[in-house]
Amino acid sequence: SQTIHQWPATLVQPVGSPLSLECTVEGTSNPNLYWYRQAAGRGLQLLFYSVGIGQISSEVPQNLSASRPQDRQFILSSKKLLLSDSGFYLCAWKGGSNEQFFGPGTRLTVL
Amino acid sequence: DQQVKQNSPSLSVQEGRISILNCDYTNSMFDYFLWYKKYPAEGPTFLISISSIKDKNEDGRFTVFLNKSAKHLSLHIVPSQPGDSAVYFCAARRGGSNYKLTFGKGTLLTVNP
Repeated sequence: SQTIHQWPATLVQPVGSPLSLECTVEGTSNPNLYWYRQAAGRGLQLLFYSVGIGQISSEVPQNLSASRPQDRQFILSSKKLLLSDSGFYLCAWKGGSNEQFFGPGTRLTVL
Repeated sequence: DQQVKQNSPSLSVQEGRISILNCDYTNSMFDYFLWYKKYPAEGPTFLISISSIKDKNEDGRFTVFLNKSAKHLSLHIVPSQPGDSAVYFCAARRGGSNYKLTFGKGTLLTVNP
């Protein structure tokens, strides 16, 4: 069966510090991968998606970037965090069906 | 421009009764709709989905209805259980969009014992 991992589970970072969140998927190959953010009181906003290694599409202009160095690895990064980057970050994958399946999420607090 | 709207931020029902969660959309290019359930500090869990070529899909206690002419879908939970208490997100996919999903803001369902 397929599983999706995210780490860390929680993170507190000062403004201006770098960020690296990692997502890995097991039990599937060549999945579509997605990064979402849920800010307080809001729905899930799609940040990036990837249909293959090295292929990244950005949905909204922002302070973040994404990379896919391996088939089942998706990384969300920032060189300098802003207060507005605080939120709950979710990674998701899609295989052969139409549904996306989400990881456990990372709670990021920027102080 | 919010293309998927869940106008009720919260809903409270009694255990055993029906819960009806509503969702409206504006983009006629959406061809697939999904409902997710989310507990605090966890990732959303897929519940049920429906293609735009159907008007109803049922899975156990969960039924999703789609009214394309009204651009409206609803999730019915019967009977409601306390463990159903969570935030429910409606999501929609536009055909040919690499399966990107657009989510509503969610509805907090509370099922009271």
